[in-house]
This record gives sequence, C-alpha cells and structure tokens, in this order.
Amino acid sequence: GAVVSQHPSRVICKSGTSVKIECRSLDFQATTMFWYRQFPKKSLMLMATSNEGSKATYEQGVEKDKFLINHASLTLSTLTVTSAHPEDSSFYICSAAGTGGFKPQHFGDGTRLSIL
Amino acid sequence: AQSVAQPEDQVNVAEGNPLTVKCTYSVSGNPYLFWYVQYPNRGLQFLLKYITGDNLVKGSYGFEAEFNKSQTSFHLKKPSALVSDSALYFCAVRDGGTASKLTFGTGTRLQVTL
Repeated sequence: GAVVSQHPSRVICKSGTSVKIECRSLDFQATTMFWYRQFPKKSLMLMATSNEGSKATYEQGVEKDKFLINHASLTLSTLTVTSAHPEDSSFYICSAAGTGGFKPQHFGDGTRLSIL
Repeated sequence: AQSVAQPEDQVNVAEGNPLTVKCTYSVSGNPYLFWYVQYPNRGLQFLLKYITGDNLVKGSYGFEAEFNKSQTSFHLKKPSALVSDSALYFCAVRDGGTASKLTFGTGTRLQVTL
C-alpha cells in the first residue's frame, strides 16, 4: 500500500518550454502533497505544500509564478515549471501523506528535468 | 525552528558487520522522527518512524533506530549490513502541526563492501 506515482520520470526539452509533472497517490487519499527539488549529492529542498482544493503554500525563495501547483483532487497534484531555463534542471520529487494521525510521507520516484 | 543533523557524509562498512548512521535533532516540542532511504535516480522509501512509545523502533529491511531523548539522537542501525543496503539515507523530523511538513538532514551515503 501507500504508492505514489510520479510522471514523467525524465524530461529533456528546450529552454522556454513549460513542463508539467504529475503526482498521484494510487491507493490512498492525500489532502496534502509536497514538492521537493534535489540538487546533485544534496538533500531535498521543500518547494511547496500542495493542499487539495486550495492554493499551495510556497517556501521562501520559491517563485510561485514559475512553479505552478494544482491539487485538483485527493489523488492528484501537478507541478508546472513555466518557461523553463537551464538553471531549472534538477530532480523533482513529490510526496503525499495520508489523512489522520502521523502517517509518513510516501514519495514518488522523481522526475529528472533537463533543460537544454 | 526544527532541524536535523547528519554529521557523516559517508559511512563505509563491510558486509556482515553492524552499521550505524547517525542523526541528531532539534525541536521545540515532541519529536516525530523518520528515516528514509534513496537509491540512485529514485524517490525516497520510508524505513521507519518514531512518534511515541518504545525507544527502539524496528522498520523495513532489518533496520532499526534508537530514540535517545537526552542525547537528542535517532541513530539508524542494522546488525548485519548487506551490499544491497548501499544507498543514501535521510533522517527527517516532522513539524508538529497538521501539515506533516518534514525537515530533512543532509543525507549520509552508506557504502557496504564485500
């Protein structure tokens, strides 16, 4: 149980393209999902907290107009990197936590984004 | 603000030997602590958590962690390491609020050799 699916696993595209990444909780409902960015050999940096049916909460320094988050249902959150540039190249990981109690976050397998 | 420290960038151990990956934490209230493992180009996999109760927590793949309140530590342990345990390990502490926001340590790379 507690499977999180992230798609696509890898994207290579030209500078200026907008890229959408999907995060789905397959066997549980997640009122809250999280989006992280991980640089090579570094820890995870929380970008934003995605709440179903409401606006995402962005961490300090993360441009909300650059990284658009939509959490339209209890099983799906999307991250759109708008007008991506080479400096946006990174490994993006989503996670979801079930409702109630102190349930752990379960992570997707990440998306490797490469902007040429 | 809460924080987690993993003092070792890398831990090397021979297969069959016991392993310890260190983690210390700082929180203002009760600590909710987690260990995750990451294999190359993958997301994080949940290993175990401490919320309350017994100080020794058992998790997946034979791993366990010992919560020590006086030393504010939550070290990850395994009695006998396997080569397949080689990966990146993250300790995390959870925000006490309802958002379940996690703060991660910087990660420790475990290298198990034959």
